Amino acid sequence: NAGVMQNPRHLVRRRGQEARLRCSPMKGHSHVYWYRQLPEEGLKFMVYLQKENIIDESGMPKERFSAEFPKEGPSILRIQQVVRGDSAAYFCASSLKRGETQYFGPGTRLLVL
Amino acid sequence: AQSVTQLGSHVSVSEGALVLLRCNYSSSVPPYLFWYVQYPNQGLQLLLKYTSAATLVKGINGFEAEFKKSETSFHLTKPSAHMSDAAEYFCAVSEANTGNQFYFGTGTSLTVIP
Repeated sequence: NAGVMQNPRHLVRRRGQEARLRCSPMKGHSHVYWYRQLPEEGLKFMVYLQKENIIDESGMPKERFSAEFPKEGPSILRIQQVVRGDSAAYFCASSLKRGETQYFGPGTRLLVL
Repeated sequence: AQSVTQLGSHVSVSEGALVLLRCNYSSSVPPYLFWYVQYPNQGLQLLLKYTSAATLVKGINGFEAEFKKSETSFHLTKPSAHMSDAAEYFCAVSEANTGNQFYFGTGTSLTVIP
């Protein structure tokens, strides 16, 4: 049973470009969560999605960031017009049910030059 | 609201010595509690979890943790450290059955000295 998949594992962007991060949850999981980890810090919640719906986006910056989880295909975290402060590791997690154990992917490490 | 405090951002132990990583939480509702381990440049791997069953929880790699409601603690222990235990450890809390997110501590970096 494959775990949570994320790609790319590493992404380099110049300031002003767009970054697209993809996450495929574990088989059978319909709940997806995105977290951001800055250097020397813990993970900070960004957004929680269930198929085709955003349930909680209280941790998402108000501008430039968006997320989706379409009926078919992976969840996408999109960052428009990236700035250097967006450089971080972005982790996706999935769970079978709301509130239950979250299983994490290997992360995407974004570097903005 | 939930929050997690991990005392000691860096812990060093000798190989074979007891490992104790501290985690205190605050939660206005019954919590679920988790410990994850992160190796360099990798994702988080679940070590163990407390979900309102037995208060002493056993996890992988010989780790265990005890939920103490009176102390709002969920400390992680291992009787004998191994070199391969060197990693970053994160404690997390969520609302039982209803939580939209996990709240993570800032992590404890464990160094094992040969």
